Amino acid sequence: EPEVTQTPSHQVTQMGQEVILRCVPISNHLYFYWYRQILGQKVEFLVSFYNNEISEKSEIFDDQFSVERPDGSNFTLKIRSTKLEDSAMYFCASRQGAALGYEQYFGPGTRLTVT
Amino acid sequence: AQKITQTQPGMFVQEKEAVTLDCTYDTSDPSYGLFWYKQPSSGEMIFLIYQGSYDQQNATEGRYSLNFQKARKSANLVISASQLGDSAMYFCAMREEGAGSYQLTFGKGTKLSVIP
Repeated sequence: EPEVTQTPSHQVTQMGQEVILRCVPISNHLYFYWYRQILGQKVEFLVSFYNNEISEKSEIFDDQFSVERPDGSNFTLKIRSTKLEDSAMYFCASRQGAALGYEQYFGPGTRLTVT
Repeated sequence: AQKITQTQPGMFVQEKEAVTLDCTYDTSDPSYGLFWYKQPSSGEMIFLIYQGSYDQQNATEGRYSLNFQKARKSANLVISASQLGDSAMYFCAMREEGAGSYQLTFGKGTKLSVIP
């Protein structure tokens, strides 16, 4: 069964450093997402991406964050200058179509630890 | 106001028994979808079941069913014949279509523990 993959599974970085989290969505999916989950808390939406542009973003997704689909398969989240509060699990998700019934398939997540 | 409310931080259920996990939602959008996800201790998010706001029948997927009460704005997950592998966090989520929104809004989750 096709699945969303994410690399790395765990990243440790120092405050102020840039990180790039990588995702490979399911190949025939058109909509891509990033969510984050701070330890012990709920999953929060960051950004959605369709047709090579951001379609929606949350208040969390400030200028420190950017997304890119550099080729036909990868979808990346860049955090320019990490802060301690960026420590969280970051999930990539994709869905096939726009209709309500299409579920979002989540990747296994990247645990980001900022020290 | 919270869009998704899960009032049970933790639940216990005996193996082979059924359990209901509560979820209420708040929206003025007539077109929306409700989703349940399971998050085991390993951390991944696993899709379980979906209910659309216009669906006439409650959704079912194997041992999972969704008790959808539209007037009460509730979408409770029922797990029948609980198994030890069902021990996990369970998140209710909603997508509202009217604003052209693509995001899922999640509740805080319920931690289910299945007791042998």
